[in-house]
Amino acid sequence: GESVGLHLPTLSVQEGDNSIINCAYSNSASDYFIWYKQESGKGPQFIIDIRSNMDKRQGQRVTVLLNKTVKHLSLQIAATQPGDSAVYFCAENRNNDMRFGAGTRLTVKP
Amino acid sequence: GAGVSQTPSNKVTEKGKYVELRCDPISGHTALYWYRQSLGQGPEFLIYFQGTGAADDSGLPNDRFFAVRPEGSVSTLKIQRTERGDSAVYLCASSLNPGGHETQYFGPGTRLLVL
Repeated sequence: GESVGLHLPTLSVQEGDNSIINCAYSNSASDYFIWYKQESGKGPQFIIDIRSNMDKRQGQRVTVLLNKTVKHLSLQIAATQPGDSAVYFCAENRNNDMRFGAGTRLTVKP
Repeated sequence: GAGVSQTPSNKVTEKGKYVELRCDPISGHTALYWYRQSLGQGPEFLIYFQGTGAADDSGLPNDRFFAVRPEGSVSTLKIQRTERGDSAVYLCASSLNPGGHETQYFGPGTRLLVL
């Protein structure tokens, strides 16, 4: 979905379920993509990154998928925990020019 | 330090005043970035330093905004004649090297409120 002003797209999941957060990026020339997690009152925290020569990368409980054909990025979080509740931003980077998406608020219900 | 630090954490000022925001990057990181984040939005790029020089200042909104990094470490973002629209969180990030594939590590931000 798209955010308008203060209304971030939201995703609410049950603790233990898997979460999928989606992001569309704008520039087909972007060659590096990053997911950040931002908790209230804190700066963005690096989660995982992927280069454009890959279509999937896995970390601990997280997986990033890249579809360059449709300029789409997704973040999958396995076994979502209450501590995962935050706003998640995707970012595309080309030559040190990093552009952030609008963000998705993830809420994990116990 | 272990991470990027920013001071002050909060700053309240009056319209028309001058403010300085400080960023201490991760030790050894040569690249430093400033971003501005408005409520409910992602960070927006302001300026990027490679060493002591501003490699890209295309994101600075106007000439009231200026940033320096005189010794290639600490950076100061300076805002003259502040306006209410300048109210936002100002984020600083650093990376080990410049380059499009370098991970940027963010500080906690300075929350600026212009009354």
